[in-house]
Amino acid sequence: DAGVIQSPRHEVTEMGQEVTLRCKPISGHNSLFWYRQTMMRGLELLIYFNNNVPIDDSGMPEDRFSAKMPNASFSTLKIQPSEPRDSAVYFCASRLAGENIQYFGAGTRLSVL
Amino acid sequence: QQQVKQSPQSLIVQKGGIPIINCAYENTAFDYFPWYQQFPGKGPALLIAIRPDVSEKKEGRFTISFNKSAKQFSLHIMDSQPGDSATYFCAASFTPRLTFGEGTQLTVNP
Repeated sequence: DAGVIQSPRHEVTEMGQEVTLRCKPISGHNSLFWYRQTMMRGLELLIYFNNNVPIDDSGMPEDRFSAKMPNASFSTLKIQPSEPRDSAVYFCASRLAGENIQYFGAGTRLSVL
Repeated sequence: QQQVKQSPQSLIVQKGGIPIINCAYENTAFDYFPWYQQFPGKGPALLIAIRPDVSEKKEGRFTISFNKSAKQFSLHIMDSQPGDSATYFCAASFTPRLTFGEGTQLTVNP
């Protein structure tokens, strides 16, 4: 299995632009998680889906952030408009039902100038 | 408050040494305590995990010690190697959510 696949690996954009991060979970996994990693705040859970349905989005920092999971093999995290303080590494992780282990992708490093 | 406190922030040891990383949690509802290892440019990967009904778990050179009454757990790395140099995160789970500690940057010198 290829594992969790995230794209792009790096994204550089200007303040005010829309940014879309993509994630393909491991086939057969039914839970998907979006995390943000910064030096100041560490690894933070933004939102997670179960069977494509958003369950808990309490970690989404503000309305500029939105996430979707249109099917079991694809999810997006969108930031509109982006701000410099959004600069971070964003990770996607997936999990098989009944198991505790979360498998992480390699992350997307976002820089907002 | 669902927090996990991790220390130290950074740790440097010589090859063969036994680094110890400590974590403390508050929420007694947590039911699963994993440790993740992260190399630069990579995502975190599960290293070892323990449930609160077990006081110790060993996998190869990695051991978790768990003290339920003190709400603390720690990671020990026996005979550490330069290849163990990475950032280590403890976490606590109230399934399926994971709450991570702040991370410990470990450097093992040759």
